[in-house]
Amino acid sequence: QSALTQPPSASGSPGQSVTISCTGTSSDVGGYNYVSWYQQHPGQAPKLMIYEVSKRPSGVPDRFSGSKSGNTASLTVSGLQAEDEADYYCSSYAGSNNYVFGNGTKVTVL
Amino acid sequence: QLQLQESGPGLVKPSETLSLTCSVSGGSISRSSYFWGWIRQPPGKGLEWLGNIYSSGTTYYNPSLKSRVTLSVDTSKNQYSLKLSSVTAADTAVYYCARGAAAELDYWGQGTLVTVSS
Repeated sequence: QSALTQPPSASGSPGQSVTISCTGTSSDVGGYNYVSWYQQHPGQAPKLMIYEVSKRPSGVPDRFSGSKSGNTASLTVSGLQAEDEADYYCSSYAGSNNYVFGNGTKVTVL
Repeated sequence: QLQLQESGPGLVKPSETLSLTCSVSGGSISRSSYFWGWIRQPPGKGLEWLGNIYSSGTTYYNPSLKSRVTLSVDTSKNQYSLKLSSVTAADTAVYYCARGAAAELDYWGQGTLVTVSS
């Protein structure tokens, strides 16, 4: 299974929005509503931000939202804040109890 | 609050077997609604799913590593383990354990760096 495709970087000014794409295939992203997104600050473990395409765990600000169209999922961060600067990874169920991650996107707050 | 903690050698010689344990506290590993996973991250690179195990002992492995990965669970100790055989420098990474619910990983350990070097 190949890694899901994410842009290497994305950026925005404080208060603006940034959207990160995550492109897979009909065997993973397009085939299941099991896309999740993780935020990772340097030296820290990943943190779950979105699951099942668009659901937010308790405690995650509603500035974070997820969606999916066909084989591409997206994470949007609205009202960017300095603490949102981090690496973001998508993940998808790929069938047969297999899972695949994206290659990661570094978000910079200008 | 559920907590996971990885433990094991930080240095492994090439061709040997990497062994790590994840100790779970604040909740029972025996809850059937969850699975328990291992993920790794080479320095400066992205995340890679290694495999999952259920408290029943049922395992699922990343096809690309299946021949080298073995997961096991010890419900009496509330912990589970990873073994990766025939390691090379390419296996140098931070190894994370994490709890899975449906298809997402909602609790993660802090990670442990394992270096493969002679």
